[in-house]
Amino acid sequence: GQSLEQPSEVTAVEGAIVQINCTYQTSGFYGLSWYQQHDGGAPTFLSYNGLDGLEETGRFSSFLSRSDSYGYLLLQELQMKDSASYFCAVPSGTYKYIFGTGTRLKVLA
Amino acid sequence: EPEVTQTPSHQVTQMGQEVILRCVPISNHLYFYWYRQILGQKVEFLVSFYNNEISEKSEIFDDQFSVERPDGSNFTLKIRSTKLEDSAMYFCASSYSGGSTDTQYFGPGTRLTVL
Repeated sequence: GQSLEQPSEVTAVEGAIVQINCTYQTSGFYGLSWYQQHDGGAPTFLSYNGLDGLEETGRFSSFLSRSDSYGYLLLQELQMKDSASYFCAVPSGTYKYIFGTGTRLKVLA
Repeated sequence: EPEVTQTPSHQVTQMGQEVILRCVPISNHLYFYWYRQILGQKVEFLVSFYNNEISEKSEIFDDQFSVERPDGSNFTLKIRSTKLEDSAMYFCASSYSGGSTDTQYFGPGTRLTVL
């Protein structure tokens, strides 16, 4: 089967750096995306990695290693508003998407 | 900025009833999706839709479910004979090209409560 595993919860303090990992097992691989979801809100797109390496978008960076079936989202200079759930996701098939188990990030003052 | 809209925001129904969840995707998008999220769990893919037909569907999307694009702007999810376990947040999403690199934009969701 296909699966994406993430830690269930991560806690960090304001201003810190946190890394959220995602390991995947898929029948085909077309890239790894990351989404943020605040409580009661909709998932919003953060980043996409189609190739190995690091993609940087402001305070957020995402890394992919296809040989290790592994990626991570790196959040720098944490702010209280970053408290949310973070999901990795992969396209599976032409128009089908699988989301990871989700990581709840708590940012402490 | 264009956005995906969904109505209603909250729907309460009795078990066995039919519900229709409505979505208005971003106007120039061509690919449409429905996802489900049971409280506290991950987002689950239900179905994708392109060119007036289903492109992909998950094992969750059985004969109880159907989708339709009744006009040029709306995209609906119909759930027949609702069950208690259908209680969840239902998200509609749309994208322009549908490719793996294309961003999906999610609506705010409809919370379905089946009593």
